[in-house]
Amino acid sequence: GDSVTQMEGPVTLSEEAFLTINCTYTATGYPSLFWYVQYPGEGLQLLLKATKADDKGSNKGFEATYRKETTSFHLEKGSVQVSDSAVYFCALRSTGNQFYFGTGTSLTVIP
Amino acid sequence: NAGVTQTPKFHILKTGQSMTLQCAQDMNHGYMSWYRQDPGMGLRLIYYSAAAGTTDKEVPNGYNVSRLNTEDFPLRLVSAAPSQTSVYLCASSYELAVEETQYFGPGTRLLVL
Repeated sequence: GDSVTQMEGPVTLSEEAFLTINCTYTATGYPSLFWYVQYPGEGLQLLLKATKADDKGSNKGFEATYRKETTSFHLEKGSVQVSDSAVYFCALRSTGNQFYFGTGTSLTVIP
Repeated sequence: NAGVTQTPKFHILKTGQSMTLQCAQDMNHGYMSWYRQDPGMGLRLIYYSAAAGTTDKEVPNGYNVSRLNTEDFPLRLVSAAPSQTSVYLCASSYELAVEETQYFGPGTRLLVL
């Protein structure tokens, strides 16, 4: 069945460091891929998405590219800030319209 | 436009008690779902509904839902157990649109003693 595997955390970085959170997926057909972010005490919100192969989603300095050949959707940011501390979830929406989530990666950015 | 709302924010139940968690959305979304979020487990789908009048389940025991209209999707814990202690998230999205995201409510934190 369809599934998402993402890098386990927690991840701790210094401010202005480079961030990569790995995400790979298994799916039939052509799913859409998403990154959600959950800030402390808040609900999940969409960070970015990509709906077809080679698309790049971007928002708030974060980027992720839909790589069908490697079935990956890694999240990157060139320079993290303390305000980026949150839990990040990779997800896919299958062609059957079901959503599948990774286990989440907790990020802490220290000044 | 309030988006997805959930009540209550927090509740304590005793084992064996029943309770209904409320979820509503005002975006005319056909697809609604309930997840539970536990540390290290990510989000686990409990129930979903593709449209008003329909429901389907992923985890059969201990939960029940109804979808009488487009806006509301309440989740009922029939006889609460400590294993149901979790944060419950409700979400909605446009149906039959693979590129569409889900919109999440703020969650209900439930403690079963």
